Amino acid sequence: DGGITQSPKYLFRKEGQNVTLSCEQNLNHDAMYWYRQDPGQGLRLIYYSQIVNDFQKGDIAEGYSVSREKKESFPLTVTSAQKNPTAFYLCASSISGLTTDTQYFGPGTRLTVL
Amino acid sequence: AQSVTQLDSQVPVFEEAPVELRCNYSSSVSVYLFWYVQYPNQGLQLLLKYLSGSTLVKGINGFEAEFNKSQTSFHLRKPSVHISDTAEYFCAVRYHAGYSSASKIIFGSGTRLSIRP
Repeated sequence: DGGITQSPKYLFRKEGQNVTLSCEQNLNHDAMYWYRQDPGQGLRLIYYSQIVNDFQKGDIAEGYSVSREKKESFPLTVTSAQKNPTAFYLCASSISGLTTDTQYFGPGTRLTVL
Repeated sequence: AQSVTQLDSQVPVFEEAPVELRCNYSSSVSVYLFWYVQYPNQGLQLLLKYLSGSTLVKGINGFEAEFNKSQTSFHLRKPSVHISDTAEYFCAVRYHAGYSSASKIIFGSGTRLSIRP
């Protein structure tokens, strides 16, 4: 089955620790995205990548970092610099970065800072 | 600034009743419009999208939406809802910007649809 997988489903982190969220897709999509979802705020774009070895900051990139070494993988690191990291994180991909392309979403990772 | 407004944060409806979830966007320039559904603790799934052509768009699960350029709206409708439609619904807009950093999707804040038996 083709799709997007995110792991882990739930993640707990102590304050001051970095943590990495995994996102893998086998759809052969060029573009991948990371969103943060908070209650009542919809989705906000953290980072996106339109091609391997290239990525761009979204609206709320501060305190986050990404890499895109392989087409199928786009891991997100939440660093200790992120002041309020508790949220639901969604990864998405699309065939390319064109505006007409549908974005397909993974099941999400819920991060809680203790 | 470009924005998407979903006026209703929650919409309670009785089963088998019709429902309309409202969505308005800020700009009158050319846009692509989307509705996504999110079930609890899951990712988003595309319900339908408007790219061009007929202003009435039909999607999955019996949903449809109508693009109204003059009112900058893209309301989602279903003539008869089912318990399984209980979820959060997000409207999203993408502005015609080709292949550039300006082409990101802007999401509304979501409408929680709850179906009562």
